Amino acid sequence: QKEVEQNSGPLSVPEGAIASLNCTYSDRGSQSFFWYRQYSGKSPELIMSIYSNGDKEDGRFTAQLNKASQYVSLLIRDSQPSDSATYLCAVKGGGSQGNLIFGKGTKLSVKP
Amino acid sequence: SAVISQKPSRDICQRGTSLTIQCQVDSQVTMMFWYRQQPGQSLTLIATANQGSEATYESGFVIDKFPISRPNLTFSTLTVSNMSPEDSSIYLCSVAAQTYNEQFFGPGTRLTVL
Repeated sequence: QKEVEQNSGPLSVPEGAIASLNCTYSDRGSQSFFWYRQYSGKSPELIMSIYSNGDKEDGRFTAQLNKASQYVSLLIRDSQPSDSATYLCAVKGGGSQGNLIFGKGTKLSVKP
Repeated sequence: SAVISQKPSRDICQRGTSLTIQCQVDSQVTMMFWYRQQPGQSLTLIATANQGSEATYESGFVIDKFPISRPNLTFSTLTVSNMSPEDSSIYLCSVAAQTYNEQFFGPGTRLTVL
């Protein structure tokens, strides 16, 4: 059974701080990794994708991937109250279909 | 990214009835998927909608309960058949330009079964 694990939180950080969200996965053959943001009552929104080991930066977001440790993380710098949402980690295996396995999500709360 | 719409956005249905959800994309896409998100839970893949052939269902989901059509590269439907209160959920379609590309989600259909 392929699994993606996240700390459910809630993770609470003050405005302006760095929020660190973590995710581990069980399928060592996984090739693609994604972070989605989901506001309450809304559908998931893709914010980052990462395919190779190391860091990938996009604005205030940095995704980090370590395939040897089967670990992917998302850092949000200068956190804003508008970043308060549930963050979903999703992992795609190496099969012929484009199936994504989602974690249960980490709820982030940024306090003004 | 593609613009994805779903109809209806929400519905309240009676036990034993069926509901068909539509997903429309503004450009041709290779892959279309249907997910379910039960209250307070993460997303679970129901099936991959294949254009011109039968959908590929995940373990625990069957065609008789969730028939899917995909007549072309921009449109798909998911039917939730013989509904029970346990089918109350948000149903989401997602699309990807190619098999290994990012997936983008539609706005979802919130279904309540009484």
